[in-house]
Formats: sequence, structure tokens, C-alpha cells
Amino acid sequence: QVKLQQSGAELVKPGASVKLSCKTSGYTFSTSYMSWFKQIPGQSIEWIGMIYAGDGGTGYNQKFKGKATLTVDTSSSTAYMDLSSLTTEDSAVYFCARDWGVMDAWGQGASVTVSS
Amino acid sequence: DIQMTQSPASLSASLGETVTIECLASEDIYSNLAWYQQKPGKSPQLLIYDASSLQDGVPSRFSGSESGTQYSLEINSLQSEDAATYFCQQHHDYPYTFGAGTKLELK
Repeated sequence: QVKLQQSGAELVKPGASVKLSCKTSGYTFSTSYMSWFKQIPGQSIEWIGMIYAGDGGTGYNQKFKGKATLTVDTSSSTAYMDLSSLTTEDSAVYFCARDWGVMDAWGQGASVTVSS
Repeated sequence: DIQMTQSPASLSASLGETVTIECLASEDIYSNLAWYQQKPGKSPQLLIYDASSLQDGVPSRFSGSESGTQYSLEINSLQSEDAATYFCQQHHDYPYTFGAGTKLELK
């Protein structure tokens, strides 16, 4: 079955960067899209951006341009998201999800806490 | 960006009852709307796509409908496992946007 396994929780200092991973299985990663989302607990969900694994083409929410960078490694069927220049406002749970316009499979989420 | 106005923010209902959650899009999204269920500490799960198509494996007590730019999720015969937060999402245009969520509590 389709599985998206995300990396673990991160505690990082302000100004640092963090790289989250999303390892997939159970479907053809190289011809699919992956989106990433941010959710502060108790709040709604924000779309950060998406990447097409076939050619690495990306599209970002303007709000997250310069903050997030999406990449893929098709040899390991893994998607990555780099978050840079972290502030306390970046503390949230981040999800990856298979994207065909709707998200039919999600990772379990990765908590990022930005604190000195 | 397309705004999705979701209501109510919360509701409480009894087992076996029927509830309706609504989302109003700020412009025509041509039925490109999905509904998700999210339980505490878990990732969202797709329930409905294209406004009214039931995702595989989702119980038939969940249904979606539309009227103009107003979209509705109906849950019939509420079960205890339906206690969750529900979100709508438009995928007509980038950036994808979500409603604020509806927290459903079972009495």
C-alpha cells in the first residue's frame, strides 16, 4: 500500500536550517507530485509548495518562497524540504502528501520546534 | 488567493444524528473541492474529492454536495469515530487553500 514515512521531530535554534524527509513506497514516485503543508496545532493547514518528482519542477506558495526549498531523490523515492532562517513562527507540524490536486496519502507529520 | 470560509467552527451532536458542514469559496472553483478528516495528533485523511466523489474505503455515511460556490459535507448516522476536525480544500488554483476547520464533538 501507499506509505509516506517522514523524518522525526526537530528542535532547532533561531536562524538555523532544517531538512525534513518523506520516504515513499507503494507507488511510482517518479511520475507523481508531492506537496508539503504546515499546520500549527489547533489551526488550519497551509500549502507550502509542490514538486514533480519526474523532473524536479516546483511551485511554491508566495508566502513560503525563500523559506522552503523542495527537492527529490528518485533513486530512494524520497522527497525533502529545506526550511531556512528559522524563527519561532516556523514552529509547527509539517506534512508531506501525495498530490493529484487532492491529497490522498499523507505522511505522519514532523514537528519542528524553533527555540533558543 | 481563493478564500474558503468554513462553518460552523465547532458543533456537538449525538450518535446517530446527521450533521452538515459548509464551505463557501470566494470565487468559482468548479467543483475542485475536497474534504478531509483529521484526528488529534494524526495526519488529515481524504474523505471526498471533486465535491461529491467518495474516496475508496470511506464509509457511505459521508457525502458531499455543492450549490454554486457553497460546498457541503454531510455525515449521516454519526458514529463515535467521527469525532474529529474536518477541513475543506480547494484545488482549482494555486495556492491550494483550506477552510479554518470544523471541530465535531460527539455528545
